[in-house]
Amino acid sequence: NAGVMQNPRHLVRRRGQEARLRCSPMKGHSHVYWYRQLPEEGLKFMVYLQKENIIDESGMPKERFSAEFPKEGPSILRIQQVVRGDSAAYFCASSQDTVNTEAFFGQGTRLTVV
Amino acid sequence: KQEVTQIPAALSVPEGENLVLNCSFTDSAIYNLQWFRQDPGKGLTSLLLIQSSQREQTSGRLNASLDKSSGRSTLYIAASQPGDSATYLCAVDTDKLIFGTGTRLQVFP
Repeated sequence: NAGVMQNPRHLVRRRGQEARLRCSPMKGHSHVYWYRQLPEEGLKFMVYLQKENIIDESGMPKERFSAEFPKEGPSILRIQQVVRGDSAAYFCASSQDTVNTEAFFGQGTRLTVV
Repeated sequence: KQEVTQIPAALSVPEGENLVLNCSFTDSAIYNLQWFRQDPGKGLTSLLLIQSSQREQTSGRLNASLDKSSGRSTLYIAASQPGDSATYLCAVDTDKLIFGTGTRLQVFP
């Protein structure tokens, strides 16, 4: 049973380009969470999705950021028109249920905006 | 608003010491609490999960306790080893995980 898979592991984008981060949850998990970790800071919640639904996006910046978790395929975190401040590690986690179940994290995607 | 604090922020100890890492949270309405380990440049590894109805969990040299009413959890590491060097994060589950800023642990030989 493979763990949470994120790709790419490292992504370099020029300012103004788009970044697409992918997350495949563990088998049997239908809940996906995205977190951002800025250098030397803790993990900040961004968005919580179930298949085809955004449940909680209270941590998502209002502009340029979007997330989806389609019926088939991985969850995608999309950042449009990236700026230097978007440089961070983006982690995805998945769980089997919404509460009282263990969350498992991927290795993260390290985005560098140049 | 739930806030999670971890003390100390950093800790450097010689090999063999027993350690206590502290985590406090402001809202006791949590489903569970998880402790994670993060190595530099890596993802998070789940260490222990304590359900809100439980008082403690043990795994090998690790023991985590939870006092929900006082908003506290401790992670106890027995007989520390250099391989334990990492950042330790606690997170409370309130339908999403809210993380503390971590304790950076260095165990030197």
